[in-house]
Amino acid sequence: QQQVKQSPQSLIVQKGGISIINCAYENTAFDYFPWYQQFPGKGPALLIAIRPDVSEKKEGRFTISFNKSAKQFSLHIMDSQPGDSATYFCAASIVGGGADGLTFGKGTHLIIQP
Amino acid sequence: DTAVSQTPKYLVTQMGNDKSIKCEQNLGHDTMYWYKQDSKKFLKIMFSYNNKELIINETVPNRFSPKSPDKAHLNLHINSLELGDSAVYFCASSQSRMSLSSTDTQYFGPGTRLTVL
Repeated sequence: QQQVKQSPQSLIVQKGGISIINCAYENTAFDYFPWYQQFPGKGPALLIAIRPDVSEKKEGRFTISFNKSAKQFSLHIMDSQPGDSATYFCAASIVGGGADGLTFGKGTHLIIQP
Repeated sequence: DTAVSQTPKYLVTQMGNDKSIKCEQNLGHDTMYWYKQDSKKFLKIMFSYNNKELIINETVPNRFSPKSPDKAHLNLHINSLELGDSAVYFCASSQSRMSLSSTDTQYFGPGTRLTVL
């Protein structure tokens, strides 16, 4: 059972455009939702994260939108650049109560065309 | 001053062999993890260690055993390697999760690509 579903699997966007990646989760106990960016041959790196007490978080060109009632969250990349080309993973976890791992979506391969 | 480091970066071995992957973090974190990334890039947690105690163990074969000599290290030992073990293995670390005010960011190492022939 996949607890975090991510779409699309791959995405091609023109330079300067908006890239949008969507995720949906099933476990209502999740209360931390990070996005990771992974370049080929590298480990995932935290891009931006959100807690369910806010509906939106923005850091530079990256914005997370969160809809708690729909159990969905999305990543928006504004003014997409070729350097943004990477694989993006949404994830979810539960805060507190002991160590816990991240449950990842299956990833989105993003290509920004110059 | 790499935060999370892994060795080796590449590991090629024969079926049936036993191998180890080492991980070290210099962030002072209390919790460390091992993830497996398959050929389709799906990331799945294998283990986490908090204060030298195994906290979770997702349905991983007992051929895999994490060993933590101290808080800064979490090594992964794999016995009797099988073809299906071929993947990229990532180590990660985070602050203690026991406090609600703790940060949740997990920092990942560069990965170890394991190829079993």
